[in-house]
Amino acid sequence: AQSVTQLDSHVSVSEGTPVLLRCNYSSSYSPSLFWYVQHPNKGLQLLLKYTSAATLVKGINGFEAEFKKSETSFHLTKPSAHMSDAAEYFCVVSIIQGAQKLVFGQGTRLTINP
Amino acid sequence: DTGVSQDPRHKITKRGQNVTFRCDPISEHNRLYWYRQTLGQGPEFLTYFQNEAQLEKSRLLSDRFSAERPKGSFSTLEIQRTEQGDSAMYLCASSLSRGLAGKETQYFGPGTRLLVL
Repeated sequence: AQSVTQLDSHVSVSEGTPVLLRCNYSSSYSPSLFWYVQHPNKGLQLLLKYTSAATLVKGINGFEAEFKKSETSFHLTKPSAHMSDAAEYFCVVSIIQGAQKLVFGQGTRLTINP
Repeated sequence: DTGVSQDPRHKITKRGQNVTFRCDPISEHNRLYWYRQTLGQGPEFLTYFQNEAQLEKSRLLSDRFSAERPKGSFSTLEIQRTEQGDSAMYLCASSLSRGLAGKETQYFGPGTRLLVL
C-alpha cells in the first residue's frame, strides 16, 4: 500500500536560515509525490510535484524537493526561511486506481522565529 | 480561473441534524474529490466523481453520508443525523484528467469546518 511518513511533526527555524522538512514514502510502484502547504483558514496549495521526470523538483516560493529512490525519500528544502513560510506542510503520495487518490502524511508544522 | 469554492465555510449544528455542503470546482475540471481532515491529521479521501458519476467511495463514508454531482459541475455532500465524530474540515478538490495516469493536479478549496455539538 502507498503511504508517506513525515518524520517531524514540528520544525522551528530562524528567519533567513535553511528549511528541511523530511518525508519518506512507501509505494509498490513508481510514485507520484507532492508537497502541499496549508496556511490557517486557507485551502491546501500545491508547492511542487514529482511525476517521474527530473528527480530535483522546483516549486513555488523558493521550495524544492529531491526524489531519492534508494532512500525512498522526498524531503522539502528552502535555502532561506521567510516569516510567511510559517504553515502546515503535507507530503502526499498518489494512488492511481481509476482516479488519483491522494494519501497525505500527518503534516509538519513549520514555525519561523524572527 | 476563480479556483475551487466551498460553501459554507463554517457550520455549527446539533447532533442529529442534517447538514449539506456545496463545492464549486474549477470550471471544466472533470474530476471532483471530497476529503475529510480531522484536527492534527492530514486529509483523508472520501469519494470522487468523474463528471456526474460517483466512481468510488471510501469505507470512511458511512451510510449517513451522500454526495452528488448532478450535472457534472458543482457537488454537494450531505451528512444525515450528524454525530460529534463528524466534526472535521471537509475539503473539496478538482482536477482535469486527460487520461495520463498520475499527471493530474488536484486543486483544493478552502474547506467547510463542521462542528457538531
